[in-house]
Amino acid sequence: QQQVKQSPQSLIVQKGGISIINCAYENTAFDYFPWYQQFPGKGPALLIAIRPDVSEKKEGRFTISFNKSAKQFSLHIMDSQPGDSATYFCAASRTLTGGGNKLTFGTGTQLKVEL
Amino acid sequence: NAGVTQTPKFQVLKTGQSMTLQCAQDMNHEYMSWYRQDPGMGLRLIHYSVGAGITDQGEVPNGYNVSRSTTEDFPLRLLSAAPSQTSVYFCASSYLMSGLTGELFFGEGSRLTVL
Repeated sequence: QQQVKQSPQSLIVQKGGISIINCAYENTAFDYFPWYQQFPGKGPALLIAIRPDVSEKKEGRFTISFNKSAKQFSLHIMDSQPGDSATYFCAASRTLTGGGNKLTFGTGTQLKVEL
Repeated sequence: NAGVTQTPKFQVLKTGQSMTLQCAQDMNHEYMSWYRQDPGMGLRLIHYSVGAGITDQGEVPNGYNVSRSTTEDFPLRLLSAAPSQTSVYFCASSYLMSGLTGELFFGEGSRLTVL
């Protein structure tokens, strides 16, 4: 059972274009929604994250839009660059009673930015 | 600053063999976890620990054992490897109080092939 659904599986965008990746979740107990970026041969690294009481968060060229009622959130990469070519994972975080998080990841989107 | 260190980076096993994937972190993180990454499946939580002597199961714990005797180390044991355990394994850690940020720090992964 996939609790966090992510689309598309792959995405090709021209340099300077906008990349959009969408995610949907089911469990309302999630309390934080991070996005991770992974380059080939490396582990994922936190890119940007949002709380469910915020509708949008922007950091540089990266923006998360969050729709709590629809249980959907998305990542927008403005002015996409070849260096953004990577795999992107959305995730939903649930804080554990004793501390720490339990992250449930989406299936990933492989982004390629072409010149 | 080493961060999260995983060894080995690559391993080939025969069905039925046992092995241990090592994970060490030097950030004094209380929370440590193991994920496996498979194509089209994203990252799935195997086991996690919120401190020395405390471990718990994630989504896909079958076939794997863990222990946490120190804050720094969190080894993952495969007692009798099966081809279904062919995957890339990631160790990740965080401070307990980073529950509100959802940020996990990942190692670079261990690629395991079971023949």
